Amino acid sequence: GQQLNQSPQSMFIQEGEDVSMNCTSSSIFNTWLWYKQDPGEGPVLLIALYKAGELTSNGRLTAQFGITRKDSFLNISASIPSDVGIYFCAGFNSGGYQKVTFGIGTKLQVIP
Amino acid sequence: NAGVMQNPRHLVRRRGQEARLRCSPMKGHSHVYWYRQLPEEGLKFMVYLQKENIIDESGMPKERFSAEFPKEGPSILRIQQVVRGDSAAYFCASSPPGLASTGELFFGEGSRLTVL
Repeated sequence: GQQLNQSPQSMFIQEGEDVSMNCTSSSIFNTWLWYKQDPGEGPVLLIALYKAGELTSNGRLTAQFGITRKDSFLNISASIPSDVGIYFCAGFNSGGYQKVTFGIGTKLQVIP
Repeated sequence: NAGVMQNPRHLVRRRGQEARLRCSPMKGHSHVYWYRQLPEEGLKFMVYLQKENIIDESGMPKERFSAEFPKEGPSILRIQQVVRGDSAAYFCASSPPGLASTGELFFGEGSRLTVL
């Protein structure tokens, strides 16, 4: 089935550092979404992007929808310990069959 | 509003037994998705259902696994004759129907199956 390539797969960073992760696809999506999964919990939506080139912020998080509609990135500024978790990108095409495709996730560890 | 409710949160089964996992979607949501997550791995799509219909089951193993979303009641993921490799977290997500759907899925807290 369709697969999104997400990188890096894991990262260790110092508290206070900025983080960047990205997601690429071989096919076009008209919606990109970023989710975070805290340990032992279900994923929660962080940011949704609906237009190519769109840049959206949510607090210390910023995400961009690539111009080609085949990629997206997520930046976290000034990381804090509670940023620990797994970050998933997801692609979606509205209309018709509405299946959401997830990347394999980026596991983030923050060292205090 | 109650979120997506999954139960049980934890389930232990011996090899060969059956596991039934339940999911009640958010109020007003008629689309349900099931994902499996193995330890230290990502979310793997299993099945997408609407009320009384299976839309896409391309991620479901051909044998032992089945899913339903009846007109009344929760969605059920059923695993027959469980094996150790079925041990995983199973997440249910829901979304609203039709044009209201924006790809935003609302996840439950998961059901963690352990097969002894």
